[in-house]
Amino acid sequence: EAGVVQSPRYKIIEKKQPVAFWCNPISGHNTLYWYLQNLGQGPELLIRYENEEAVDDSQLPKDRFSAERLKGVDSTLKIQPAELGDSAVYLCASSLEATSGYNEQFFGPGTRLTVL
Amino acid sequence: GNSVTQMEGPVTLSEEAFLTINCTYTATGYPSLFWYVQYPGEGLQLLLKATKADDKGSNKGFEATYRKETTSFHLEKGSVQVSDSAVYFCALVNNDMRFGAGTRLTVKP
Repeated sequence: EAGVVQSPRYKIIEKKQPVAFWCNPISGHNTLYWYLQNLGQGPELLIRYENEEAVDDSQLPKDRFSAERLKGVDSTLKIQPAELGDSAVYLCASSLEATSGYNEQFFGPGTRLTVL
Repeated sequence: GNSVTQMEGPVTLSEEAFLTINCTYTATGYPSLFWYVQYPGEGLQLLLKATKADDKGSNKGFEATYRKETTSFHLEKGSVQVSDSAVYFCALVNNDMRFGAGTRLTVKP
């Protein structure tokens, strides 16, 4: 069974440019998460989807970040415009529907973004 | 709020040494506790978990016991191998998921 797929694995852009990350979750997983991981720190949740609905986006900087999960499967996270401080690893994870309690989250390898 | 504090790294051990990585948490109620591992170039993988006080999670020779009285979930392994070299994250779930900063372990032959 394929795991969570993310692309690209690495991205280098200049500040003020737009950038987009793509995630394909494990088949059958209704819940999808985007995390930000700064160097030397643990992942921090940006947004959580239940199917196509964003149920927790309280930590998403909405002035420059946006996300979508059309059709409740793949998801895209976008930054426009990127700033130097956005350099980090962006992780995608998926799990079975979290209707109650906790379902194990499966993580993709991440996209390492460098903003110059 | 909910938070996790784990032992700062990096930790360097010789093969077959005993490993302890400390983790303490702050949370209201009764969180579930986890250890995730991240091998070089890979995503985070669940290593073990415990969902209530006094539970012991174990996997691949690693163990951690949920201690509510000390709000701790320390990771231990009796004899580490070179292949255990990775970054280890302690985490909790209590409505949302919070991770510690991670501890990098290097095991030398």
